[in-house]
Formats: sequence, structure tokens, C-alpha cells
Amino acid sequence: GENVEQHPSTLSVQEGDSAVIKCTYSDSASNYFPWYKQELGKRPQLIIDIRSNVGEKKDQRIAVTLNKTAKHFSLHITETQPEDSAVYFCAATKGSGYSTLTFGKGTMLLVSP
Amino acid sequence: GAGVSQTPSNKVTEKGKYVELRCDPISGHTALYWYRQSLGQGPEFLIYFQGTGAADDSGLPNDRFFAVRPEGSVSTLKIQRTERGDSAVYLCASSRGTSGETQYFGPGTRLLVL
Repeated sequence: GENVEQHPSTLSVQEGDSAVIKCTYSDSASNYFPWYKQELGKRPQLIIDIRSNVGEKKDQRIAVTLNKTAKHFSLHITETQPEDSAVYFCAATKGSGYSTLTFGKGTMLLVSP
Repeated sequence: GAGVSQTPSNKVTEKGKYVELRCDPISGHTALYWYRQSLGQGPEFLIYFQGTGAADDSGLPNDRFFAVRPEGSVSTLKIQRTERGDSAVYLCASSRGTSGETQYFGPGTRLLVL
């Protein structure tokens, strides 16, 4: 089955710095890659996603890149703010079905003022 | 509009008991997913429904776990003979369809098996 590895497990940055979180996946048929943000005690919320026919997608301070050959995708957050502090999860679909998601173990991002 | 809701928000039970967890998806969402999240881990897929039928139940850990969605809306996750290892947050999500549609998560049910 699908295996998703996520690094680093924790990331501490200063406000205004950039943060990068990386994920690799094992199933070459995976075709949809969402990123979720989860604040303590809250539900996961989608922040950005990318499909396999696209190499990069941006939404204001957030961007995601996908390298299908290497089976690798990354989340980039620029100009980080304290409110960006949370746990971030990457995910990949199991096969090409667009539905069942396998999640990484998460990255705890701490942004210090 | 209303988001995904789950009840109860917390459930404490004793080892060996039966529990039911309920999920109300966003109105009109045809796909519904159940995940389990242990402390410090990402959500782990259990089962997903397209309408009333289970399209993929490969994540259910064993036959003590069962889920239904009889009318294609509300879903119930049922756990028989609970074990301490079943303690986790059980998350439900729904999406309009299954073609790369966003999965919207509920607040979860925190299950503690003593």
C-alpha cells in the first residue's frame, strides 16, 4: 500500500522566515496531494492541494511543488507568522482513485515572534 | 453552511464494551470518510462511502470495526468488544464527490477505553 514519509517532525523558525516541509510517497499511481493544517485540539483543515498533472501551485504565502519522477512534494510557507504555528500533514491518494488518503506523521511548525 | 458534525465529542468506555460514533456530513456531500488519529500521528484511513455503499473498507483494522451509511447521509462507526488500543480520536470527513474534491473534517470523537 501507499507509504508517505514526512520531514522534519518539528520545525522552529523566526517570524518572517520561510518554512519548508517535505514528503515522499511510494505509490507511483497517486494523483492528488493535499496539505492540512491542524491546530491543537482542532480538526484538520485543507490549506492547499496539487494534482499530478501540475508541478507547482501557489496561494499567497503558501506554495506546493510536486516532482512525480522522484515521488516527492513539498510545502513552502513564506513570511511566516506566529499564527502559522500548528501541525502540518501531507497526504497522498492510494492509487489513482482520488479518494482514499494516506497521511504523513505531521510536522509541528513553531513560529517565534 | 454547517460543517461536518460528530457526536459524541468524547466517549469513555470500558474494555469489552460496544460503542457507536456518529457523523453528520455536509449536506449534499456524497462521499464520507472515517479516519482514526492517535496522539502525535496523522489521520489513518479506515473506510469511505460513496452514497450508501462502502467503496473502500481496507483500512478497518479487524472485524470488530464496522460502519454503515444506510441513507447516504449520516454514518455510524461501530466498534465491538473495545480494547484499550482503540483509544484515539475518530475523525469523519466528507466531500462533494471523489474526483480530487476537498475532504472537510469534523471535530472528531475522542474515544478512551479504560
